[in-house]
Amino acid sequence: NAGVMQNPRHLVRRRGQEARLRCSPMKGHSHVYWYRQLPEEGLKFMVYLQKENIIDESGMPKERFSAEFPKEGPSILRIQQVVRGDSAAYFCASSHILIGSGTDTQYFGPGTRLTVL
Amino acid sequence: QQQVKQSPQSLIVQKGGISIINCAYENTAFDYFPWYQQFPGKGPALLIAIRPDVSEKKEGRFTISFNKSAKQFSLHIMDSQPGDSATYFCATLSSGSARQLTFGSGTQLTVLP
Repeated sequence: NAGVMQNPRHLVRRRGQEARLRCSPMKGHSHVYWYRQLPEEGLKFMVYLQKENIIDESGMPKERFSAEFPKEGPSILRIQQVVRGDSAAYFCASSHILIGSGTDTQYFGPGTRLTVL
Repeated sequence: QQQVKQSPQSLIVQKGGISIINCAYENTAFDYFPWYQQFPGKGPALLIAIRPDVSEKKEGRFTISFNKSAKQFSLHIMDSQPGDSATYFCATLSSGSARQLTFGSGTQLTVLP
């Protein structure tokens, strides 16, 4: 029973390049969340997606960042024209909301560590 | 933006001792309070969680105490072991359709052998 999978685990980009991070949720999960963790800090919410829909992108920077979760395939977090300040660990989480339970545990992947040179 | 304040920032405990980490939140629009454990280079792993209609939850050596009126909750690790050395994050889950986790800043726990 595979957990949340993310790739690549490490990504190095030069300033101005594009970074593309992938996340495959746990089997049976249709809700995906992206979080960013800066060094020595907690995780910060970026975006919440369901299949083919962006539900909440209130934590996503307005420019250069985009996310998608297509009907088929993994969720993608795309960062265009990366800058040094984008260097961080990016974590994906998935959940399966149980109707009426009031809770929906989010399970995290191992993260992608992005380094911008 | 909603905040979750976590303390202490770091904690050193002797093996067999009790580790206590505290969190406070700002509003009442949360319906789920998880604690995550993170080892270096790994993703956060759910440790234990509580709903606001319960004041305490215990799972093995880990206990969450929840004080709804004070808007505070804490993690107690009994009989702390060197293998518990990790960073611990409290979080709140917003109610409604947003479902985003708001994390505390983390507590780096070191358990000395």
